[in-house]
Parts: sequence; C-alpha cells; structure tokens
Amino acid sequence: NFMLTQPHSVSESPGKTVTISCTGSSGSITSYYVQWYQQRPGSAPTTVIYEDNQRPSGVPDRFSGSIDSSSNSASLTISGLKTEDEADYYCQSYDSSNQEGYVFGTGTKVTVL
Amino acid sequence: EVQLVQSEAEVKKPGESLKISCKSSGYSFTSYWIAWVRQMPGKGLECMGIIYPGDSHTRYSPSFQGQVTISADKSISTAYLQWSSLKASDTAMYYCARHYSGSWFDYWGQGTLVTVSS
Repeated sequence: NFMLTQPHSVSESPGKTVTISCTGSSGSITSYYVQWYQQRPGSAPTTVIYEDNQRPSGVPDRFSGSIDSSSNSASLTISGLKTEDEADYYCQSYDSSNQEGYVFGTGTKVTVL
Repeated sequence: EVQLVQSEAEVKKPGESLKISCKSSGYSFTSYWIAWVRQMPGKGLECMGIIYPGDSHTRYSPSFQGQVTISADKSISTAYLQWSSLKASDTAMYYCARHYSGSWFDYWGQGTLVTVSS
C-alpha cells in the first residue's frame, strides 16, 4: 500500500525554522499534488499549503512547500516560528495504483519550545 | 461563506446502527466532491471515501469498503456517513471535507465524535 511517511515530531525555538519531510513509499511524488494540513488540539484540520507550494488566503508566507523528486519527498518549511504554530501537520496526496485514493501522511507534531 | 456543519456527538452500543450528517452551505453542493475522514483517538487522518453529490458517484478507500455507506441528499445539501452495525473500533472523530479542484480539501466540518461502548 502507498504510504506517506513523516517524522514523528520536531521541535525548535520561537523565531527559528523547521522543515518537515513527507516521503512517498512508491511511485513518484511528482505525479500528484501534495497538500499540507495543520491541526491544532481539539480542532479540525486547516490547509496551510495546497498543490505543492500554494498558500491559501490568510496563511502567512512563513509557510512554504516544496518537492524534491530525487528523494521522492515533499517538504513543509515554517520560518520565524511562533507559539501558535505548535500543532500536528499532515501531508496528503493521491494514490491511483492500488485504489487507495486520497492518502494522508503519518503526521508530525511540531513543538515550539 | 462556505460552511460544513456536522451533526452532534453520538454514544452508541456495539451492534447498533448510526447515520451522521454534514450539511453544506454557501456554495453549489452538487459541484464539489465531499470526503469523510476518520481520526481514531490519538491517531492520524484517514480518508474513508468520497462522494460527488451531483450524481451520487461514490468511491471508497479499500480499508473502508463494505464497512460504511456514504450518501448524499442534494435537496438539502447534506452528505451522510452510516454504519449498519457499529464496533468498538469505530470509536473516532469523523470529519467531512469539501474537495476542491481534484487536489485539496479546502473546507472542513467541525467533526462528529462517535463513541461505541457497551
């Protein structure tokens, strides 16, 4: 089955930069768009990046997304960390090979120290 | 303003049936796919399936095929997720989400917590 693997957790101080990876288990990560969702405790997910590197209206430009085809991975970078960025982050893409459909990554807990 | 409003939390016993809802407003309900996403306690997000209310075409993720039924009533702009016989392992938060342009889930409901316990 197609999987998107993320680090379990990352932590950094306010004002610093963190990067979260999302690695595809098979196929090419460039075949379908990658999205990133933020989920604060007790809340529904919200989109911070869509279509690899696009930010929805209202999402600060401290959030950016990229794709690295050589490592078959996507990345979410959060610069100028703020305490409000502390949340779980999930990548998401699509798998057409085994009818898995829309697949979410394993999730990463970001802690702002 | 686009809104997806889900039904309230439910507490059920194993073997009981359940249907939860997701009412959409602020856009053309029949023009966008709606997905159901499960989040078990302390775990990640899983897409269960997706429906196109315009023609009720539905696709299920393999893990959920035969376990749940997704439907929609376009006359009241509402999507549904139902179980015929709940199990304790169905205990989870369930979200509906609108799917935009073949790529991302742009609007989410607030979630419905389903607790199955004897």
